[in-house]
Amino acid sequence: NAGVTQTPKFQVLKTGQSMTLQCAQDMNHNSMYWYRQDPGMGLRLIYYSASEGTTDKGEVPNGYNVSRLNKREFSLRLESAAPSQTSVYFCASSLLAGSYNEQFFGPGTRLTVL
Amino acid sequence: DQQVKQNSPSLSVQEGRISILNCDYTNSMFDYFLWYKKYPAEGPTFLISISSIKDKNEDGRFTVFLNKSAKHLSLHIVPSQPGDSAVYFCAARDDKIIFGKGTRLHILP
Repeated sequence: NAGVTQTPKFQVLKTGQSMTLQCAQDMNHNSMYWYRQDPGMGLRLIYYSASEGTTDKGEVPNGYNVSRLNKREFSLRLESAAPSQTSVYFCASSLLAGSYNEQFFGPGTRLTVL
Repeated sequence: DQQVKQNSPSLSVQEGRISILNCDYTNSMFDYFLWYKKYPAEGPTFLISISSIKDKNEDGRFTVFLNKSAKHLSLHIVPSQPGDSAVYFCAARDDKIIFGKGTRLHILP
């Protein structure tokens, strides 16, 4: 069991470039999430997918799009990267979206936008 | 407006002593609280949780206490070990999980 995997681990972009962060889980979880972590800001939810075929905005969705490709995969796209999107991005999954389901996190993608 | 607050950015504790990490929240609709631990260059890992209907939950060296009237919870680690040095995030949920900013715990030899 690999758990939650993320690619790439590191990425440097120029302002205006686009890229897609990939996330996959092999735990047969229904719900998946994208967070960003900035110094002194904790983890902030960007988008989540409660189940296959659904996506919803989180706390900081502007500048991002997501795709729940299938039950295993949930991708995050930056259409036109900005320096403010420099951050560490974490993907997570949980069995269900309800209250009593812990989230399992991937190792993160460190993104720098110049 | 922060709904989950960890007011201590860092904490240093002697090995073998008790570590107490604190967390305050503002939303009375939160029904479940969690603590996550994070090492550098890794994703957060779930540590312990507590339902709003309880006031204590214990798992080995880790105990979480919830005081609903004060909207306060705390994580106790006894005894503290070197491997406990990490960033600890408090989190709370109603329909989504809201994370605090984290507290960096240093266990001193």
